[in-house]
Amino acid sequence: DAMVIQNPRYQVTQFGKPVTLSCSQTLNHNVMYWYQQKSSQAPKLLFHYYDKDFNNEADTPDNFQSRRPNTSFCFLDIRSPGLGDAAMYLCATSPHQGTGNYNEQFFGPGTRLTVL
Amino acid sequence: DAKTTQPPSMDCAEGRAANLPCNHSTISGNEYVYWYRQIHSQGPQYIIHGLKNNETNEMASLIITEDRKSSTLILPHATLRDTAVYYCIVVPGGTSYGKLTFGQGTILTVHP
Repeated sequence: DAMVIQNPRYQVTQFGKPVTLSCSQTLNHNVMYWYQQKSSQAPKLLFHYYDKDFNNEADTPDNFQSRRPNTSFCFLDIRSPGLGDAAMYLCATSPHQGTGNYNEQFFGPGTRLTVL
Repeated sequence: DAKTTQPPSMDCAEGRAANLPCNHSTISGNEYVYWYRQIHSQGPQYIIHGLKNNETNEMASLIITEDRKSSTLILPHATLRDTAVYYCIVVPGGTSYGKLTFGQGTILTVHP
């Protein structure tokens, strides 16, 4: 089945130690998103790629970066994780206009990040 | 983007219909109403969307009032697996791809 895959499902890092989360998709969608979801809160969009065009949300901290080397893969880099960055990180994809319901996002299962 | 208001929590008996309301009184003419749900420890899942007309698919029905200021998501025969957080999201039209702004949602608990 076509899907969005996130690895690892659980990630533990130390305060200040860079960490990379990965996402891959077999849906061949143009758009990929990264969301942060803290405990008991709603998902919050960090940034997204439309093909290779990167779009950062205005309030996303500089500590968060992203890379999309090809259509299938997208990475979330946290340069210096703080305790406040502990959260579930969700990757999602969507088609663009003309190729489907472009507001229907397909989410991966998420990576739960713990910062010690 | 239009803001949505949902009750924080609702209960429903298994096998009964679950009716989840959403208020979006500031919605504008080209904005769609989308519903997603998030089962515990999973990513959100698309359910249904609509603009003006009522919509139905294999998961749910969406009833939008004539003035479009509110809507109701209906799960016709709720099961225990429908226990989740349900998000009502207003999404602007006329864009080439979507951006979702999640509110706090409604925690639906389905009881045996």
